[in-house]
Amino acid sequence: DAGITQSPRHKVTETGTPVTLRCHQTENHRYMYWYRQDPGHGLRLIHYSYGVKDTDKGEVSDGYSVSRSKTEDFLLTLESATSSQTSVYFCAIRGLAGGGYEQYFGPGTRLTVT
Amino acid sequence: KNEVEQSPQNLTAQEGEFITINCSYSVGISALHWLQQHPGGGIVSLFMLSSGKKKHGRLIATINIQEKHSSLHITASHPRDSAVYICAVALGPDKLIFGTGTRLQVFP
Repeated sequence: DAGITQSPRHKVTETGTPVTLRCHQTENHRYMYWYRQDPGHGLRLIHYSYGVKDTDKGEVSDGYSVSRSKTEDFLLTLESATSSQTSVYFCAIRGLAGGGYEQYFGPGTRLTVT
Repeated sequence: KNEVEQSPQNLTAQEGEFITINCSYSVGISALHWLQQHPGGGIVSLFMLSSGKKKHGRLIATINIQEKHSSLHITASHPRDSAVYICAVALGPDKLIFGTGTRLQVFP
């Protein structure tokens, strides 16, 4: 499982409240990613990080911010949650495998915004 | 039009059947990934391909770069193969485009 954990695993929150999801990895990988998974869509990239304090936006970054103050932790924050952010969120890290790059995924966080 | 299309969207099979899931894409890629997601579960990488064919146990993945097409085959399917299978194409090390997945159910 590449040593990736996500917390919380499930969360229900109300519209307008801030929410922070945590991704923790134990193998010192430089690259980390946050995706969301919704019915009818493939996984979509929210933000990614290529090092401590180095982050960049993905295709669906509006309404989300990230921070990475330590190699092992990548935080995803919804400043003011909306119902459209109800989703399953996956964190991933990038590792080398078979001569190329692979992404290894965490177990996911199911977020419901009511 | 999505850049990655999988077919079929849903597939049911009897145990023991040979299964094929297809993935077509419309962009230039550096690699193609096949992933497996069990209900309520995480996402596991099955294969990464840039050419030819790979085999792991009962799973076989092929890719035709000229035709922009890949297939995932499962031989002698088993109920534990029931999962969503996801195709993803890599435009670069940080840019993956995912298909919407094929839901497979294998009945005993």
